[in-house]
Amino acid sequence: KAGVTQTPRYLIKTRGQQVTLSCSPISGHRSVSWYQQTPGQGLQFLFEYFSETQRNKGNFPGRFSGRQFSNSRSEMNVSTLELGDSALYLCASSATGISGNTIYFGEGSWLTVV
Amino acid sequence: ILNVEQSPQSLHVQEGDSTNFTCSFPSSNFYALHWYRWETAKSPEALFVMTLNGDEKKKGRISATLNTKEGYSYLYIKGSQPEDSATYLCASGQDAGNNRKLIWGLGTSLAVNP
Repeated sequence: KAGVTQTPRYLIKTRGQQVTLSCSPISGHRSVSWYQQTPGQGLQFLFEYFSETQRNKGNFPGRFSGRQFSNSRSEMNVSTLELGDSALYLCASSATGISGNTIYFGEGSWLTVV
Repeated sequence: ILNVEQSPQSLHVQEGDSTNFTCSFPSSNFYALHWYRWETAKSPEALFVMTLNGDEKKKGRISATLNTKEGYSYLYIKGSQPEDSATYLCASGQDAGNNRKLIWGLGTSLAVNP
């Protein structure tokens, strides 16, 4: 069974640009959640999508958005990039969601904003 | 929502030693406690998800306990091996009405010397 796949793995963007990251969950999983990892802040929860709907949300500004398609694949978009957005972005999938169930992580997308 | 705290921040032990780490979390609005193992250049790997006060889980040499009333969880590793070297993360699920979030600690970095 294939794991969670994230693309691209590495990317460099300029301040002010926007970026889209993609996540393909484990087959059969309907929940995809996104996280930002920075050295000082640790892992921070961005949002969770389930059956194409945003179900839960962290405390990030509106520049961070996402969506989920009918095949459960998810994309995360960050608009008007800032230097502080440089981070590892992880997505995770779960059969039924982050409510007390195991979530399975991808390897992440490393974003550098210059 | 208050922070999830993990201690110690880092730990160096000898092969064969047993060790334990602590995860403290807000006991209000709690719904689940996750433990993950994260090795460098890999994806975080799920260890345990616990929801009930008094839960105890075991996976090989690793076990965990949960106290939801006082807001802490312990992770134990018996007979540490070099391959146990990793960062151990905990995350507390917090339920704020219709919005659930996973709040992550900064992790305990374990190094096991052969």
